[in-house]
Amino acid sequence: DSGVTQTPKHLITATGQRVTLRCSPRSGDLSVYWYQQSLDQGLQFLIQYYNGEERAKGNILERFSAQQFPDLHSELNLSSLELGDSALYFCASSVGGSVGEKLFFGSGTQLSVL
Amino acid sequence: QQPVQSPQAVILREGEDAVINCSSSKALYSVHWYRQKHGEAPVFLMILLKGGEQKGHEKISASFNEKKQQSSLYLTASQLSYSGTYFCGTEGPYGGSQGNLIFGKGTKLSVKP
Repeated sequence: DSGVTQTPKHLITATGQRVTLRCSPRSGDLSVYWYQQSLDQGLQFLIQYYNGEERAKGNILERFSAQQFPDLHSELNLSSLELGDSALYFCASSVGGSVGEKLFFGSGTQLSVL
Repeated sequence: QQPVQSPQAVILREGEDAVINCSSSKALYSVHWYRQKHGEAPVFLMILLKGGEQKGHEKISASFNEKKQQSSLYLTASQLSYSGTYFCGTEGPYGGSQGNLIFGKGTKLSVKP
């Protein structure tokens, strides 16, 4: 158990809908990362937050947004869902979000868009 | 820029050795290695910082050649438990942030009895 909690574990929804994925980092970790994993693209970095502020942005679509709350949990919002958004979404956390810190991954949310 | 891993897949017999390579076209500050078993989350193996260091973790070790922007993961005397997909992740001075980790597409390792 990494200490990172993600909910829900599975999510099935329809195209055009909006969903929210939730992540609670390990106790004491200030930085949260979101990754998307699909079969052909591996782990794609979406976005990083540190202590409530956005620190880095990767290949995150405009239809996707995220935030980190004062209690350090984070939410990833996916809207106007398309079939291609079906993937495994991982949240990870680290202590400070600096270079050289190891990431602890949650067990992921499997999103299926039908 | 996504690092390139090779090979994409490898099949071993127990006790055999394997090398997984990771290369980047950009300057790197560090290289991370993670292993993901089917249906599970990636798990941290080791980090190598610039300076050409080599690290070991049981029978798994890695090297980082900063000048060549390459890292290699060495698995010796493989065990069934080594099966999984290995990802390298790189951190560099690109993209305006040093804090995000960009992963390669992974190398699927299968160890057979």
